[in-house]
Amino acid sequence: DAGVTQSPTHLIKTRGQQVTLRCSPKSGHDTVSWYQQALGQGPQFIFQYYEEEERQRGNFPDRFSGHQFPNYSSELNVNALLLGDSALYLCASSTGLAGSEWDTQYFGPGTRLTVL
Amino acid sequence: GQNIDQPTEMTATEGAIVQINCTYQTSGFNGLFWYQQHAGEAPTFLSYNVLDGLEEKGRFSSFLSRSKGYSYLLLKELQMKDSASYLCAVRDSGYGGSQGNLIFGKGTKLSVKP
Repeated sequence: DAGVTQSPTHLIKTRGQQVTLRCSPKSGHDTVSWYQQALGQGPQFIFQYYEEEERQRGNFPDRFSGHQFPNYSSELNVNALLLGDSALYLCASSTGLAGSEWDTQYFGPGTRLTVL
Repeated sequence: GQNIDQPTEMTATEGAIVQINCTYQTSGFNGLFWYQQHAGEAPTFLSYNVLDGLEEKGRFSSFLSRSKGYSYLLLKELQMKDSASYLCAVRDSGYGGSQGNLIFGKGTKLSVKP
């Protein structure tokens, strides 16, 4: 049973460019959440997708956008990259509504984005 | 506001017991999670508490007191491979049927020495 997968593993971009990161959830999961983790910090919530819609959003600018496909996989897009966008981008998948351990979010290996 | 505090670093000896504390102040609460994260890797799920009390899973135990906004992760019989960052995360209440997102602390870097 494959866990959460993300691609690419590493990415180097320059300021002003755009980037797309991809995530495939764990089998049986229908909810995908994206997090940004700067070096030495805990992950910060970007947004969550369910049924192909953005269901909840953290405190990130509109340059960060996403999409969820019918097969539950998801993309994170970042436009007009800034140096401060350099971070590990984590995707987490889960299933069901709020309430119990089976809603636990399981993380993928992440994409390390470096903006020069 | 949302605030989760945990110590930045801790050091312990192989075979010993260590307790990592976490205090939180969040606008909503729908469970508290502990994750382990080795350097350069993704967080891996360790434990979940939603009711007060102790949850035990092998060498790892987690405790929650909702009235005090406090949790701890207890690691017994420490092994060298336990050297990692330990992240405390609170799931908020969510809205519109949403599951609620995780609010993470900055993590506690644990070093296990021989």
